[in-house]
Amino acid sequence: GAVVSQHPSWVICKSGTSVKIECRSLDFQATTMFWYRQFPKQSLMLMATSNEGSKATYEQGVEKDKFLINHASLTLSTLTVTSAHPEDSSFYICSARDGSGGETQYFGPGTRLLVL
Amino acid sequence: AQTVTQSQPEMSVQEAETVTLSCTYDTSESNYYLFWYKQPPSRQMILVIRQEAYKQQNATENRFSVNFQKAAKSFSLKISDSQLGDTAMYFCAFSVVGFQKLVFGTGTRLLVSP
Repeated sequence: GAVVSQHPSWVICKSGTSVKIECRSLDFQATTMFWYRQFPKQSLMLMATSNEGSKATYEQGVEKDKFLINHASLTLSTLTVTSAHPEDSSFYICSARDGSGGETQYFGPGTRLLVL
Repeated sequence: AQTVTQSQPEMSVQEAETVTLSCTYDTSESNYYLFWYKQPPSRQMILVIRQEAYKQQNATENRFSVNFQKAAKSFSLKISDSQLGDTAMYFCAFSVVGFQKLVFGTGTRLLVSP
């Protein structure tokens, strides 16, 4: 199946710093990537949809200046959490949609962010 | 509004037995896809099975099969010969063709015991 990688898998940072998370589709081209946030024992919450070469579309309530998304190529999207605060601590997951016409999203392994 | 409902927060089954997880959804669209994803303790989301709404035949993937009832908007997952490695959170989801977003249910936690 299609493979999506995510880096880093774990990050601990100080409050006020910025953190960048990378999401890569390894064996297919992803015209669309998605960023989710997941709180413990809850479902995934979509943060934004990222299309290659265009601006991301953010879900209601998600601060676009706080969570910067860049989708510079068909295999790479990045999420930057700017000026991170403890309440940003969470599990962030990316997914990539196969551009060949299928609707299936393939997920990365996730990034655990802890802001001290 | 498009919604997915998983009415079973937790289920348990013994190894080698069969278990069925329920899922219902609500949409006014006619062309969509349905999915079951598995999230084990590692938290990696893994695609278990996918069903195209226009197909009447139920999808199967080895020990996993679905019972897709389009009129009833029901999409249950049957796991046969349960294995310890099936212990995970299972999410039902659907995506309207061309709309891109996945709508997730709240999940069912499945515990497979020896």
